[in-house]
Amino acid sequence: DTEVTQTPKHLVMGMTNKKSLKCEQHMGHRAMYWYKQKAKKPPELMFVYSYEKLSINESVPSRFSPECPNSSLLNLHLHALQPEDSALYLCASSQETRGSYEQYFGPGTRLTVT
Amino acid sequence: DAKTTQPNSMESNEEEPVHLPCNHSTISGTDYIHWYRQLPSQGPEYVIHGLTSNVNNRMASLAIAEDRKSSTLILHRATLRDAAVYYCILRDGVNAGKSTFGDGTTLTVKP
Repeated sequence: DTEVTQTPKHLVMGMTNKKSLKCEQHMGHRAMYWYKQKAKKPPELMFVYSYEKLSINESVPSRFSPECPNSSLLNLHLHALQPEDSALYLCASSQETRGSYEQYFGPGTRLTVT
Repeated sequence: DAKTTQPNSMESNEEEPVHLPCNHSTISGTDYIHWYRQLPSQGPEYVIHGLTSNVNNRMASLAIAEDRKSSTLILHRATLRDAAVYYCILRDGVNAGKSTFGDGTTLTVKP
């Protein structure tokens, strides 16, 4: 099974709401990633977790808060977002963070901030 | 971070080979060259990766220049399902996790 699942598929939230995105994999991967993708642009790395510890934060605003409760699960908590945060949020996983391993991506959560 | 440069778009006829180029002149000795593709409304899909030697798998072949400053993804017989945005990415083989997507090549396959 090489699947990364993400829920929800779509999310509409107001600027004062708090919501969470969820990502799950059961491939035994120890590296998990969040990316943000705007329309017609490449994905941009946001966060990297390695063995459930945050190893990279690409200067993402604090209104995005990642969490890795266990090796299979990755959450992205959202609070007080702005309309410009509307995008496709992609989760990915790999065996480890080293570049010798390929990444597997989920289908993404389409987020709209109103 | 090392950067990759790809043509914005390419066209191919169905059942013909396609060669998608990528330049990465600032590649470091530990960077792996990865290729992913993204169909509309889907997440990126892994295609192939390599370090120095050419690589083949069931989806494609990867040809890496001897100086590693460029590479070519080869689809041996393009199908309509291969129409996608193809991204060439460098991923550090030692340091954790960083990878920067280039702007990608939009491949159109004509029947």
